[in-house]
Amino acid sequence: QKEVEQNSGPLSVPEGAIASLNCTYSDRGSQSFFWYRQYSGKSPELIMSIYSNGDKEDGRFTAQLNKASQYVSLLIRDSQPSDSATYLCAVKLEAGTALIFGKGTTLSVSS
Amino acid sequence: EPEVTQTPSHQVTQMGQEVILHCVPISNHLYFYWYRQILGQKVEFLVSFYNNEISEKSEIFDDQFSVERPDGSNFTLKIRSTKLEDSAMYFCASRTGRSEKLFFGSGTQLSVL
Repeated sequence: QKEVEQNSGPLSVPEGAIASLNCTYSDRGSQSFFWYRQYSGKSPELIMSIYSNGDKEDGRFTAQLNKASQYVSLLIRDSQPSDSATYLCAVKLEAGTALIFGKGTTLSVSS
Repeated sequence: EPEVTQTPSHQVTQMGQEVILHCVPISNHLYFYWYRQILGQKVEFLVSFYNNEISEKSEIFDDQFSVERPDGSNFTLKIRSTKLEDSAMYFCASRTGRSEKLFFGSGTQLSVL
């Protein structure tokens, strides 16, 4: 059974701080990784994708990938209360086209 | 901006009844998916559909489930005889043939009583 693991949190940070969210995956052959944000009662919304080792930045978000360690992370700089949500790590397995999701980390940003 | 459309937003049914959940994927997308999320749990893959046939399915997607693309725009999920444990949010998703990014609809909340 291929797994995607995330610390469920909650992760609490003050407004303006950096939030760091982590994810590990078990399928060593996976090549495509995604971060989704999910507000309570809503559908997952794609934030970032990353395919190569290293960092990828998009605005206040930075995704980091280390395939050797099977580890993906998401950094949110200058966190805002509107960033309070559950962040889902998703991995495309080597076989197939479906994304497999972690359980998500709940982030709470206090003003 | 194009989006995945799901109807109804809420569906209440009695145990043992059949339900059909409806989705209109983004028009130029080629791959279609159903996922479900039981309250407080993770988003779980059910089935993927490509070129008018199921391309993969999870162990959740048993004989009680079926999918269909009855015309050029709709994509449906049928649950033949609903069980209490089928109560969940069901998400439809789609993607193009070139990108692996999945775009989700707003979901149908299914409640089985």
